[in-house]
Amino acid sequence: GDSVTQMEGPVTLSEEAFLTINCTYTATGYPSLFWYVQYPGEGLQLLLKATKADDKGSNKGFEATYRKETTSFHLEKGSVQVSDSAVYFCALKDSNYQLIWGAGTKLIIKP
Amino acid sequence: DTAVSQTPKYLVTQMGNDKSIKCEQNLGHDTMYWYKQDSKKFLKIMFSYNNKELIINETVPNRFSPKSPDKAHLNLHINSLELGDSAVYFCATQGGGAEKLFFGSGTQLSVL
Repeated sequence: GDSVTQMEGPVTLSEEAFLTINCTYTATGYPSLFWYVQYPGEGLQLLLKATKADDKGSNKGFEATYRKETTSFHLEKGSVQVSDSAVYFCALKDSNYQLIWGAGTKLIIKP
Repeated sequence: DTAVSQTPKYLVTQMGNDKSIKCEQNLGHDTMYWYKQDSKKFLKIMFSYNNKELIINETVPNRFSPKSPDKAHLNLHINSLELGDSAVYFCATQGGGAEKLFFGSGTQLSVL
């Protein structure tokens, strides 16, 4: 079945560092891909998405590009802030329109 | 009005007890989920209900049973609670194939 694999955390960075959180997927067809963020004490929020190959999703300085050849959707940000500390989830939407989740990566940004 | 409401917010109980967590949504969404967030903050899907039919069960122990009396409710029953069940449990809804999820505020379960 479809699956999503993302790098284990926690990822600890200093403020203004460059961020990459890896995400790869296995799926039949061409799923839509998503990054969700969960801030402490809150539910998940959609951060960005891409619906077809080579699409780039972006929001709040974060970017991710749908790479069909490497089945990847890595999350990047050029300069992280303490307020970016959260848990980040990669997900895909399967042919039944259900979301398949990665395990989540905790990001800790130190001032 | 709260779109997705869970009760109780906190639940402290002894090992071996049976407990329930309730979830109600007023969004008219077709799909509801239960997630478990462990101490490492990883969110794992437990169940998904679409129009009252169970469509995902991610190898959750059969001590956990979702019950959906109607489209607006998806309750989680847990029998013979174990220490490892301590976690935050989130209910969520998804409507019309859209990717946006609506989450409840979570129920923090502590098994002593």
